[in-house]
Amino acid sequence: AQSVTQPDIHITVSEGASLELRCNYSYGATPYLFWYVQSPGQGLQLLLKYFSGDTLVQGIKGFEAEFKRSQSSFNLRKPSVHWSDAAEYFCAAQNQAGTALIFGKGTTLSVSS
Amino acid sequence: KAGVTQTPRYLIKTRGQQVTLSCSPISGHRSVSWYQQTPGQGLQFLFEYFSETQRNKGNFPGRFSGRQFSNSRSEMNVSTLELGDSALYLCASSLAGQGAGNTIYFGEGSWLTVV
Repeated sequence: AQSVTQPDIHITVSEGASLELRCNYSYGATPYLFWYVQSPGQGLQLLLKYFSGDTLVQGIKGFEAEFKRSQSSFNLRKPSVHWSDAAEYFCAAQNQAGTALIFGKGTTLSVSS
Repeated sequence: KAGVTQTPRYLIKTRGQQVTLSCSPISGHRSVSWYQQTPGQGLQFLFEYFSETQRNKGNFPGRFSGRQFSNSRSEMNVSTLELGDSALYLCASSLAGQGAGNTIYFGEGSWLTVV
């Protein structure tokens, strides 16, 4: 069955430190991949997406993600975290027939000062 | 360009009642999808509409239904509400929704509490 796994439920990072959130997918073929962020009480905001081509994709708010086919991963990174980055982050995948997004369970990011 | 707009943002219903939620997609977007978000189950796909036709459906009971109008606006309805239907319902829109890697944009959601 198709699935998306985010191994880390909760991560705490010091402000100014680097961040990496993990995402692994299980699909028959390489899916389209997305990272969304959700602040408390809000909807989902798209950070970045991977469809094809360059495996390092840049997104908004200084985030980037790297697609690694051999590891079935699409990890999200940021070189220097700001307090305003505290939120819940969701990795999602969509097969190339373009049907429903399948989401991971999310990773809650806390930022300490 | 306006984003995905959902109404109402918050509502409280009694068990056994029904509820209708509304979604206006981004201008030009023809695909509208609905998702349910709960702490226990996370984000789950309900259904997708494209050009007024339901094109894909998730694994939810028949109490959950939806429709799309000619202007691409969509509504979802939940009948005979149960306590477990309390959730954030998110609407998403995309240009075509199927194939070719369409970017999917989400609204702010409608918070439903069933008491």
